[in-house]
Amino acid sequence: GAVVSQHPSRVICKSGTSVKIECRSLDFQATTMFWYRQFPKQSLMLMATSNEGSKATYEQGVEKDKFLINHASLTLSTLTVTSAHPEDSSFYICSARGGAGETDTQYFGPGTRLTVL
Amino acid sequence: SQQGEEDPQALSIQEGENATMNCSYKTSINNLQWYRQNSGRGLVHLILIRSNEREKHSGRLRVTLDTSKKSSSLLITASRAADTASYFCAPLTGGFKTIFGAGTRLFVKA
Repeated sequence: GAVVSQHPSRVICKSGTSVKIECRSLDFQATTMFWYRQFPKQSLMLMATSNEGSKATYEQGVEKDKFLINHASLTLSTLTVTSAHPEDSSFYICSARGGAGETDTQYFGPGTRLTVL
Repeated sequence: SQQGEEDPQALSIQEGENATMNCSYKTSINNLQWYRQNSGRGLVHLILIRSNEREKHSGRLRVTLDTSKKSSSLLITASRAADTASYFCAPLTGGFKTIFGAGTRLFVKA
């Protein structure tokens, strides 16, 4: 199946700093990418949907100024957690959906574990 | 978009037994997908079943879909310890978003 990578896989940062997480589709062009957040023993919560070249659509309750999403190309989306606080510590997972022939299936990245001290 | 609800929330079985988990949803769908998540990892796509299909197989996995009851089931036959994971269903309507339920936590005892 298609491959989606995330970088970094794990990051620890100090409170108040910003962290950027990259999501790449390695062998297909992702017209749409999704960002999810998952707290321990809970399900994935959709944060936002981004389409290449346009602004991301955020789910209710997700602060767009705090979680900046950029989908600059068909293979790369980035999530920047600005002024991170301990409550932002979570597992962030991206997924990508491709073009013709790939629109029905979402492929997920391995996730990024963010710890804010 | 809509959310699938998995049942049971947790399931514990012996290695070699079959595991069945169910998914219910509320409105008509285009397709329904099942995913597996190992602890601390991303999701792995297992199988997609379209709304005009009733059953689909992939290795030890069997998925059924009953659109009249708005439900799906995932059967894992001859389970192995490595099948221990959380399983999520994702019904997809005409909208584009995949919303996940709480999942079923499967524990296979060796």
